[in-house]
Amino acid sequence: AQTVTQSQPEMSVQEAETVTLSCTYDTSESDYYLFWYKQPPSRQMILVIRQEAYKQQNATENRFSVNFQKAAKSFSLKISDSQLGDAAMYFCAYGLNMRFGAGTRLTVKP
Amino acid sequence: SAVISQKPSRDICQRGTSLTIQCQVDSQVTMMFWYRQQPGQSLTLIATANQGSEATYESGFVIDKFPISRPNLTFSTLTVSNMSPEDSSIYLCSVERGELNTEAFFGQGTRLTVV
Repeated sequence: AQTVTQSQPEMSVQEAETVTLSCTYDTSESDYYLFWYKQPPSRQMILVIRQEAYKQQNATENRFSVNFQKAAKSFSLKISDSQLGDAAMYFCAYGLNMRFGAGTRLTVKP
Repeated sequence: SAVISQKPSRDICQRGTSLTIQCQVDSQVTMMFWYRQQPGQSLTLIATANQGSEATYESGFVIDKFPISRPNLTFSTLTVSNMSPEDSSIYLCSVERGELNTEAFFGQGTRLTVV
């Protein structure tokens, strides 16, 4: 069974600075998808970014980018130019039927 | 994207009763998923619901406790049966969409409190 580990329960970043959230996973599959989701207090799950394992190029969406290391089974999320609205729980997820990590609570300080 | 309407958004229920949560999607989807998010926790997949067949339950979840219906390609229900305070959670439905069904979209969730 696939497992997803987020080792940082909480992270804090100063507004306008950069923060990296860590995620590792375990799988025996060779082709799969990885996701980062954001959950603000409204509890709506919002897709931040998606990575397809067969693509070597790291996914980027505006201020959000990933560092995908397939051999190391690592999938970290980098948020650049952090904004107050980025404050939320961030979940790393594996696969289309979504195995989620425990989450990282991100605080953005003004 | 997909528009997913989940009802009710919240409820407070007496122990021993049952609650049915509805999930309506704005277009046809093959697979729908139900998740539980206990307070301060991550999301845990309860089951996968395909139209026209029995739902597939994850380890630790059983049909008697969480019966699921999937009468058509745009609608599903999850019932939380014989509730206890331990069932107090957020319940979310999601669907796969996008090219090759490689994106998942979530409803806004149902916050259930059992007293």
